[in-house]
Amino acid sequence: AQSVSQHNHHVILSEAASLELGCNYSYGGTVNLFWYVQYPGQHLQLLLKYFSGDPLVKGIKGFEAEFIKSKFSFNLRKPSVQWSDTAEYFCAVRGGAGKSTFGDGTTLTVKP
Amino acid sequence: GAGVSQSPRYKVAKRGQDVALRCDPISGHVSLFWYQQALGQGPEFLTYFQNEAQLDKSGLPSDRFFAERPEGSVSTLKIQRTQQEDSAVYLCASSLGGNRISGNTIYFGEGSWLTVV
Repeated sequence: AQSVSQHNHHVILSEAASLELGCNYSYGGTVNLFWYVQYPGQHLQLLLKYFSGDPLVKGIKGFEAEFIKSKFSFNLRKPSVQWSDTAEYFCAVRGGAGKSTFGDGTTLTVKP
Repeated sequence: GAGVSQSPRYKVAKRGQDVALRCDPISGHVSLFWYQQALGQGPEFLTYFQNEAQLDKSGLPSDRFFAERPEGSVSTLKIQRTQQEDSAVYLCASSLGGNRISGNTIYFGEGSWLTVV
């Protein structure tokens, strides 16, 4: 069975601060890894994804994530956050059989 | 359509009432997923279709939950005899590829917010 753990439930930062959100997964085989963002009142949107190749993945809006296989981790980073990054962030893993498993999410609040 | 479309967006049901939630996936998408998202939690997998075949229904919480996709496009999630614990957002998602690790992106709809009173 696959599982995802997001360590930070709620993160509060000031604008221009750097961001790192932790994500660890559990799955025995090859995985696809995703970060989704959900802005208030909106649907889940894909930020970035890892399938294979370069473990450092760049996504939209200046986000990036690094897949570290030995640590089963896929942490999300952004060098300088903006007020508009306030949202909920979900890490997800997709192994076999098509379904994705999501973490419980991290709420990011960026103070102007 | 341009994205995954779900209806109704909001539904209030009395306990014991049956509800039906509709999902229109992106045209041409083979795979369709239903997720349940309770307040403050991440989406929880319910069921998965490849075309009209329901390949995985391991996440359906009880036999009151039933999903179908008879023609391989539109899908309906039906909840019979609703209970308060069914209150959640029901998300539909679709992707282009099949059931192997294909690398295809999953696109989510805006969800159907169900409140059981």
